Parts: sequence; structure tokens; C-alpha cells
Amino acid sequence: EVQLVESGGGVVQPGGSLRLSCEASGLTFSGYAMSWVRQPPGKGLEWVSHIGASGGSIYYADSVKGRCTISRDNSKNTLYLQMNSLRADDTAVYYCATDSSLRGWSHNDWGQGTLVTVSS
Amino acid sequence: IQLTQSPSSLSASAGDRVTITCRASQGISSYLAWYQQKPGKAPKLLIYAASTLQSGVPSRFSGSGSGTDFTLTISSLQPEDFATYYCQQLNSYPRTFGQGTKLEIK
Repeated sequence: EVQLVESGGGVVQPGGSLRLSCEASGLTFSGYAMSWVRQPPGKGLEWVSHIGASGGSIYYADSVKGRCTISRDNSKNTLYLQMNSLRADDTAVYYCATDSSLRGWSHNDWGQGTLVTVSS
Repeated sequence: IQLTQSPSSLSASAGDRVTITCRASQGISSYLAWYQQKPGKAPKLLIYAASTLQSGVPSRFSGSGSGTDFTLTISSLQPEDFATYYCQQLNSYPRTFGQGTKLEIK
């Protein structure tokens, strides 16, 4: 059974930084591209960032470009999202998800999410 | 690429047939997925490649369309189907989701 467990969320002041982690188990992590998707409280889903299986291809949403960095450590089965210059509108539950090449690159597996609150 | 779902909310009864539409601002071939989300839970993949049912998803769910116009149909609503549904385009980056359709009990 695939498990994705996010951590690193919390309350941070505007302008601050956080690093989110997503530890994967039950899959060959190095064989999967991964994404971060977020959801502000009471609102819809927003795709944030993608990283290829080997880390070679990286994409960001315009809303986080220049402020966030996605990375991965395949030796630790862990995905990261470094978030800097945080703003109130970054407040959201952040999910990590697999990108399934066999399913048209859709997100087949999801973590439970970690809440990031940006507030003074 | 913008995705516009309609309706934004829908009231229906168990046993009803419902259809949700998703329109893309430009052609995306069949690179579309549908997800179901219940309150406090992560989204669940229902359909990928516009019309392929994910393993384990009941056959009352179906998807169709290509290019710019897509539909998700639930043939006979069950109590557990009341949730919010999202489409997502996987044709290009940045990926985008529709704004969601909340399916409520009438």
C-alpha cells in the first residue's frame, strides 16, 4: 500500500519560510514523478509544483514561482517544498501526490496534507 | 489553460443521474482527470485520460469528451457520492484544476 506522509506545516509570519516534507513508502519512489497541490481553507484545489522522477524536470505555478523550490532525495524516499517569502494567500493544506505515467500523469496517490498558516 | 466547471453546485437525490461539465480554454486532447473530494479528506482519482475509470471506482461513474469539452456522469447517485468533484488538465504545465462542483443532497 502506497503511503505519503506530509510534515513541516505550521504557523509562520508573513515573509517567513517553511520546508515541507513528504515521506513515501510502499512504492519505488525513484520511479515516480511527484507534485505538490494545495487547497486554501474552504476553497478549491491548486496545483503548485512538479518534479520528475530523477529530479530533472521541474515546473511551478505562477503564484509560487521564484518563492518556492521543489526537490527530492530518492535515497530517503522524500519529497520537499521549500517555501520562502510567504504571504497570507499561501495559507492552505498542502498535499503531495504521485504523478502516474500510466494514468495520463494524473495524481493517483495523495498524502493526508499538512496545513500551512501564514499570519502575524 | 483555464478549466471551467458547471454547475458550481448541484442538488440531487439518491438514484438520480447527474452530469458535470468541464470546459478547457484551449484543446487538451484527452489529458483530463476527474477527482472526488470529501470534507477533510484528500482528493481521490476517479477517471483519467478523460474516460478511463480508475481501478476500484464503481462503474456508475463515467467520463467522456476530448479537445475542450468534457463530462463526468454518475448514472445512479449513491449516498456516498455526495462530495465535491474537480477536473484537472494534464496536457501542459502549469497544471490547472476546475473550480469544483459541490454535489449536495436534495
